Formats: sequence, C-alpha cells, structure tokens
Amino acid sequence: QVQLVESGGGVVQPDRSLRLSCAASGFTFTGHTMHWVRQAPGKGLEWVALISYDESFKYYTDSVKGRFTISRDTSKNTLYLQMNSLRTDDTAVYYCARESAAPGDFDYWGQGTLVTVSS
Amino acid sequence: QAGLTQPPSVSKGLRQTATLTCAGNNYNVGGQGAAWLQQHQGHPPKLLSYRNNNRPSGISERLSASRSGNTASLTITGLQPDDEADYYCSAWDSSLSAWVFGGGTKLTVL
Repeated sequence: QVQLVESGGGVVQPDRSLRLSCAASGFTFTGHTMHWVRQAPGKGLEWVALISYDESFKYYTDSVKGRFTISRDTSKNTLYLQMNSLRTDDTAVYYCARESAAPGDFDYWGQGTLVTVSS
Repeated sequence: QAGLTQPPSVSKGLRQTATLTCAGNNYNVGGQGAAWLQQHQGHPPKLLSYRNNNRPSGISERLSASRSGNTASLTITGLQPDDEADYYCSAWDSSLSAWVFGGGTKLTVL
C-alpha cells in the first residue's frame, strides 16, 4: 500500500534552515510527480512546491521562491524540502503528497510534520 | 497567488443533501476542472474526486462532482455524521504555473 512518511519538522528560529524528508513506499516513486503542501495552524491548505517524476521541472509558490528547494533521491525513494531563511509565517504542518496519473491530482498524503518558526 | 473561492461554511441536516461550490477562472477551474478533498480535524486531506469528476476507488457513490464554466461543485447526498469535515477544492492554474486551493468549506451536519 502507498505510504508517505514525513520527518524533519521541529522548532527553529527565524532566518535559520530546516530540511524536511518524505519517505515513499508501496509505489513506483520514479513514476510520480511529488508535492509539498502546508497548512498553517487553523488555516487552509497552501501548495508549496512540486517536482516532476523525472526532476525535469520544479515549481514553487511565490512566497517561498528563492528560499525553499524541492528535490528527490530516487535511490532512497525520498522527497526533500530544503527550507532556508525561515520566517514566522512559514509555521505550518507540511505534508508531502503524491500526484496521481492523469488527470494528476493529490491522491495520497502523508501524516504531515509540524514546523514552528519562533524566536 | 490568488486562490479559489469557497463559502466558509455550510450546514445541513442528517440525511439531507449538501452542495459545495468552488469558483475560479478560465485558467484553473475553467481549464481543467477542480479536484475535491476532505479533511477531518487532525488528519491529512483525502481525495474525494479527481478534476475529471471521477471518484477514486473506495469513495462513496453519495458523492458526485460536476463543473459549470468556472465553478465546480461537490454534491453529497444522504448526509451522515462522518461527512462533517472541511472540504477543499484544488486546481492547476496555468497562468500562475502553480496549484491553487480554495479556502475550504466547513460542512456541519445537524
């Protein structure tokens, strides 16, 4: 069965860095585009970034461009999100999500990892 | 980046029918449609309907999705207590090269 397990969250001070990981299993990792989606406490879902199945393209939401980097390691079936220059408004639960085959929607989600940016 | 527009809350009685809406534009909902997700408190979202209005395996037939122009809708018939949750729509926005979500609708089953 498809499993996505995030890790790496925690409490970090503003302007510091953090790297999130998402271990994937139960499916062909190289066959799917992967996403990071976040949810601030008590708020709605916000898409953060995507990386295509073959790493040929990456897209980011405007608020994280230049600060966050999405990547994947196919040898480890793991998705990453490197977050630099963290701000207090980056505080959220970060989910990794798999993109389905056509029409390409978020068909599986991890349980999420909480990132708290606070001094 | 602009998101999709959903009513913040909808309340309906047990066994009644609820219709949730999601308004976008020609570049997102009007282009490839919207998917629907359900989120219970403290849990990750769950896909209810693909952008082509098909349901994933295991999703109840009480749920049906549709689209008219730039507005997508999710209809839930025979409301049950477990339907009480937050519902989000999502779509790819070709003008932004970004995914967008609606703000979410909290469905209350009375």
